Amino acid sequence: EDQVTQSPEALRLQEGESSSLNCSYTVSGLRGLFWYRQDPGKGPEFLFTLYSAGEEKEKERLKATLTKKESFLHITAPKPEDSATYLCAAPPSGATNKLIFGTGTLLAVQP
Amino acid sequence: DADVTQTPRNRITKTGKRIMLECSQTKGHDRMYWYRQDPGLGLRLIYYSFDVKDINKGEISDGYSVSRQAQAKFSLSLESAIPNQTALYFCATSDSQYGEQFFGPGTRLTVL
Repeated sequence: EDQVTQSPEALRLQEGESSSLNCSYTVSGLRGLFWYRQDPGKGPEFLFTLYSAGEEKEKERLKATLTKKESFLHITAPKPEDSATYLCAAPPSGATNKLIFGTGTLLAVQP
Repeated sequence: DADVTQTPRNRITKTGKRIMLECSQTKGHDRMYWYRQDPGLGLRLIYYSFDVKDINKGEISDGYSVSRQAQAKFSLSLESAIPNQTALYFCATSDSQYGEQFFGPGTRLTVL
């Protein structure tokens, strides 16, 4: 069964304390791994798409990486404004135009 | 102005009532989606549409129906609302087969 699993469910960091969020997937023939940020009461906001193992993408303090089984979202020297829920998603096996979402990691960065 | 808008933003209704949630987009995308989000369950796909003549069921379509009135408009209806349909509902759009989806601000629906 196709699954996208995120860990941890919640993460509390001090400002400046770097860490990583994990997204593992059991989708065959991966056609994209998507990362989103969601603030409370708002819709998810697109961050990155990764397509092949070894690919990396960066945006400000965030860097996303991809292996054959999982993706990591590395947060370097986070600030309180990085606090949000981070979601990852992937198209299911053999299907296009749809995404399976993980349940997200709730990140809290304390000053 | 927002590219993907949803109305209403909040709605409280009673069991058995018919409810319509509306989504409009100015991005010019053909693909539109409806999701619901529940704590601990993440985003789950209800219906999706590739164009005005193409409607597809998602993983949790029971109890819901949709209408694609135009390329830019996609409505979700709850024919007879029940309390376990209380959730956050999101509309999204996409312009390509493998492309990212762009989400609206959401509708918080409470069914009493």
